[in-house]
Amino acid sequence: KAGVTQTPRYLIKTRGQQVTLSCSPISGHRSVSWYQQTPGQGLQFLFEYFSETQRNKGNFPGRFSGRQFSNSRSEMNVSTLELGDSALYLCASSFSGTTHGYTFGSGTRLTVV
Amino acid sequence: QQQVKQSPQSLIVQKGGISIINCAYENTAFDYFPWYQQFPGKGPALLIAIRPDVSEKKEGRFTISFNKSAKQFSLHIMDSQPGDSATYFCAATNIGAGSYQLTFGKGTKLSVIP
Repeated sequence: KAGVTQTPRYLIKTRGQQVTLSCSPISGHRSVSWYQQTPGQGLQFLFEYFSETQRNKGNFPGRFSGRQFSNSRSEMNVSTLELGDSALYLCASSFSGTTHGYTFGSGTRLTVV
Repeated sequence: QQQVKQSPQSLIVQKGGISIINCAYENTAFDYFPWYQQFPGKGPALLIAIRPDVSEKKEGRFTISFNKSAKQFSLHIMDSQPGDSATYFCAATNIGAGSYQLTFGKGTKLSVIP
């Protein structure tokens, strides 16, 4: 059974640009959550999608957005990148949407220069 | 506001020793407390989890101790092995209220030396 796949694994962007990250959940999983991981703040919740609907959003500025497609694949977008957006972005999927069955991907390492 | 405080930040343990990581939470509505293990270059993986209606849960060499009145819980790794060297995160959530997010501690980097 394939795990959660995140692409790309690494990304370097310039301040002011925008970026789109992709997450393919485990087959059959309908919920996708996104987290930002930094050395200073640790793991912080960005948002969660279930059946194409955003059910919950963390305390991040509007520059951070996401969406989920009918096949449960999800994308997150960060516009007007800032240096502080440099982080490991992790996606987790679960069947029911509860945090019980979370499986994380290996993440996308974003570096903003 | 950090709702889950984790300590220590780093821990060095001899092979065969006991590793102990502690977490404290503030939100009494939390009802599910998982621990995650993360190796470099990988995402966190669920290790073990506990609900507040039990005081201890054991899975192999890993044990969670839970103290509801003190709002604290801890992870004990018995007979620690070099392969246990990783970063460990405690987390909490309110499944009963339909929460879809985990609140994480800031992590403990464990190094098990031979």
